[in-house]
Amino acid sequence: DTAVSQTPKYLVTQMGNDKSIKCEQNLGHDTMYWYKQDSKKFLKIMFSYNNKELIINETVPNRFSPKSPDKAHLNLHINSLELGDSAVYFCASSQAIGYNSPLHFGNGTRLTVT
Amino acid sequence: AQSVAQPEDQVNVAEGNPLTVKCTYSVSGNPYLFWYVQYPNRGLQFLLKYITGDNLVKGSYGFEAEFNKSQTSFHLKKPSALVSDSALYFCAVRDSGTDKLIFGTGTRLQVFP
Repeated sequence: DTAVSQTPKYLVTQMGNDKSIKCEQNLGHDTMYWYKQDSKKFLKIMFSYNNKELIINETVPNRFSPKSPDKAHLNLHINSLELGDSAVYFCASSQAIGYNSPLHFGNGTRLTVT
Repeated sequence: AQSVAQPEDQVNVAEGNPLTVKCTYSVSGNPYLFWYVQYPNRGLQFLLKYITGDNLVKGSYGFEAEFNKSQTSFHLKKPSALVSDSALYFCAVRDSGTDKLIFGTGTRLQVFP
């Protein structure tokens, strides 16, 4: 029973394409996040949603658009992909807003833009 | 701004020996500190957190961390390392102003048989 699941696991695409990554959590958590991990393993938050409402929107290009149809799902759509978008994208969830609740991470989506 | 620093890119230790992975922090206000572990091709897993209370915090898989306010440190420790502990370890601090979790750059722990 995967608590936070992301699809696809690997995504290889060409520059200029549009792609989506899906995320679902079955933990009953209220808050979900997207993180980006670059080639040096540096982790940075991109977005967070609480009960389908956007809470954190980091300085991410507007080519990235998160969508939360319900509190168990947070999808990430990326338009006009660029080489620099290549990274591993992690979805995470926590019980409530505020980081005293531990984050539960998915296994990541490795995006390669050629 | 809140930040954490992990001064070591890699820590090598022999199996059965104690291990320490270092973390120092910089916060305004009370620190909320966390350790996460990342195994290859996996997401991060929560190990332990310090919010308040005892300076020695016990977590998963036999790990513990010691909060030291005077040295602004939160080092991760384990009395006896296992080869299976080999992974990437991240220290993190909560930014109370923005509610964001700020991660350190990670330390790769290699435990040799």
